[in-house]
Amino acid sequence: DGGITQSPKYLFRKEGQNVTLSCEQNLNHDAMYWYRQDPGQGLRLIYYSQIVNDFQKGDIAEGYSVSREKKESFPLTVTSAQKNPTAFYLCASKIEGGSYNSPLHFGNGTRLTVT
Amino acid sequence: DQQVKQNSPSLSVQEGRISILNCDYTNSMFDYFLWYKKYPAEGPTFLISISSIKDKNEDGRFTVFLNKSAKHLSLHIVPSQPGDSAVYFCAASSQTGANNLFFGTGTRLTVIP
Repeated sequence: DGGITQSPKYLFRKEGQNVTLSCEQNLNHDAMYWYRQDPGQGLRLIYYSQIVNDFQKGDIAEGYSVSREKKESFPLTVTSAQKNPTAFYLCASKIEGGSYNSPLHFGNGTRLTVT
Repeated sequence: DQQVKQNSPSLSVQEGRISILNCDYTNSMFDYFLWYKKYPAEGPTFLISISSIKDKNEDGRFTVFLNKSAKHLSLHIVPSQPGDSAVYFCAASSQTGANNLFFGTGTRLTVIP
């Protein structure tokens, strides 16, 4: 079964610590994305990557970093510079980054709580 | 600046009746629209989409209508079933901004048995 795996499902960290969220896909999709969801808000794009070793900032990239060393993997690091890190983080992929008329496929998310 | 708006945070419908979820957008460059369904603690699941060259797209119980002049789209679910209870997100993209989907804030649909 192809899909997107995000781990862990729940993550707790102390303020000031960096934390890395995992995202792996076996759909053979070129493009991968990280979104953030906050209560009462739509999903907002953090970073995206159209191909290996390349990634671009989305609308709310400050305080986050990513890497794309393998096609299957797109980990997101939430750094201590992110002022409001507590949120639900969603990883997604698309068969081809430039194909605007194809849907995103989402993982089941990681809920990060920073205290 | 919310370019995609879902003004109804919640909607309750009796089982078997029609559910109508609405979405408005402000960016006239948007030309591809999608609806996603989301259960709690899960990622959104793609439901149905429509290109701006069409005004209607149907898939089983789900139909999306697009009114470009009004910058409005709606999702109709007929007949509604209890398993349809979820949060529905409207999203939009454009050829020029292919790497970003703009999402609405979601509408929580509750189908009452």
